Amino acid sequence: DTAVSQTPKYLVTQMGNDKSIKCEQNLGHDTMYWYKQDSKKFLKIMFSYNNKELIINETVPNRFSPKSPDKAHLNLHINSLELGDSAVYFCASSHRTSGRRDTQYFGPGTRLTVL
Amino acid sequence: KQEVTQIPAALSVPEGENLVLNCSFTDSAIYNLQWFRQDPGKGLTSLLLIQSSQREQTSGRLNASLDKSSGRSTLYIAASQPGDSATYLCAVGGISNFGNEKLTFGTGTRLTIIP
Repeated sequence: DTAVSQTPKYLVTQMGNDKSIKCEQNLGHDTMYWYKQDSKKFLKIMFSYNNKELIINETVPNRFSPKSPDKAHLNLHINSLELGDSAVYFCASSHRTSGRRDTQYFGPGTRLTVL
Repeated sequence: KQEVTQIPAALSVPEGENLVLNCSFTDSAIYNLQWFRQDPGKGLTSLLLIQSSQREQTSGRLNASLDKSSGRSTLYIAASQPGDSATYLCAVGGISNFGNEKLTFGTGTRLTIIP
């Protein structure tokens, strides 16, 4: 019955590899997000999708490419992984009702370690 | 550029005491403010959401206030319990440079309730 789920929970890989993280929400929300939490626990948005439409965030390298096959899924693909990509990545979702933005629900996170 | 600050960074109080966590933000053009709780190694749990037109929200022992004009929010926890120990994050909902919606997070307050 998990509302927002992510796989895998842990990911350890070598520098230069390509990896993907998957996210699914069963809340019927129309907006999904990816966040990065660094070693200092600072949480920062990377991307947001509304009805499968990507909203670009200017601080993210183009090695990161989100893909949304449908409204319930938002996957994150990372090319040529670097040491600085090591972090916890959180997926979130929300429903955008008219005139207001509702609570964001977060997944459990994926801890990525690049060696 | 929105900046969100939380003071103090860490707080330890004896069980049963009431306490206040502070959040300040630099840009008052927000559409909502959320308080989250994060337990070690876990995702974020939304505690309270205050829309920009509201001044406070209450849920059980928690009360959050919002003063947009002064760029401040507080989270009041009554009769603290050891289970309240966690990191509390304040997040401000606003508009990015690209016109999309995004949450800007504070650095969090790590709360420890001493039994």
